[in-house]
Amino acid sequence: EAQVTQNPRYLITVTGKKLTVTCSQNMNHEYMSWYRQDPGLGLRQIYYSMNVEVTDKGDVPEGYKVSRKEKRNFPLILESPSPNQTSLYFCASSLVESGRFEAFFGQGTRLTVV
Amino acid sequence: AQSVTQLGSHVSVSEGALVLLRCNYSSSVPPYLFWYVQYPNQGLQLLLKYTSAATLVKGINGFEAEFKKSETSFHLTKPSAHMSDAAEYFCAVSEGSASKIIFGSGTRLSIRP
Repeated sequence: EAQVTQNPRYLITVTGKKLTVTCSQNMNHEYMSWYRQDPGLGLRQIYYSMNVEVTDKGDVPEGYKVSRKEKRNFPLILESPSPNQTSLYFCASSLVESGRFEAFFGQGTRLTVV
Repeated sequence: AQSVTQLGSHVSVSEGALVLLRCNYSSSVPPYLFWYVQYPNQGLQLLLKYTSAATLVKGINGFEAEFKKSETSFHLTKPSAHMSDAAEYFCAVSEGSASKIIFGSGTRLSIRP
């Protein structure tokens, strides 16, 4: 079954304590992205990756890091979380091929920074 | 540059009534267009997508959307609302780059008994 798996689903942490949210896909997609969802703002892209070792900033990259050492994994790293990073985060894996567009989203990670 | 505008952050309809959620987009090339639904405390579920085939797209749960290039619109409709349709709905666009999907701000749909 095609799947994007994020962990953890829920996380409460304190300001400044480094954390990592993992994301893994089983479809061999080259493209992966991270989004954050905030009320009234929809989903905004944080970072994306077009392939292994190729990452780039999205619309709201400040305070985040990513890495793409393997095709299947795309972790999101918050080196020093702050309360304004309290949000719902989604990882996505996608493919465009011969007019076909497929995008799969993880179940989300609800992060609270206190 | 791509953008998506969803008209109405909150729409309320009676059970059995027509559902109409509005979405307008801007794109410099023929776009891919999507509608996603998010039920409370859940992730995103794809309702339907337009990928330059038929302009009237049928999705799951009785929803459909029509791509109107002249109006740059992709409105979502359902003839008869059910209580189970209460959720948040997101319109989204991509210009064919798998690396980026632009989302609208969302419309919360409430269903009155």
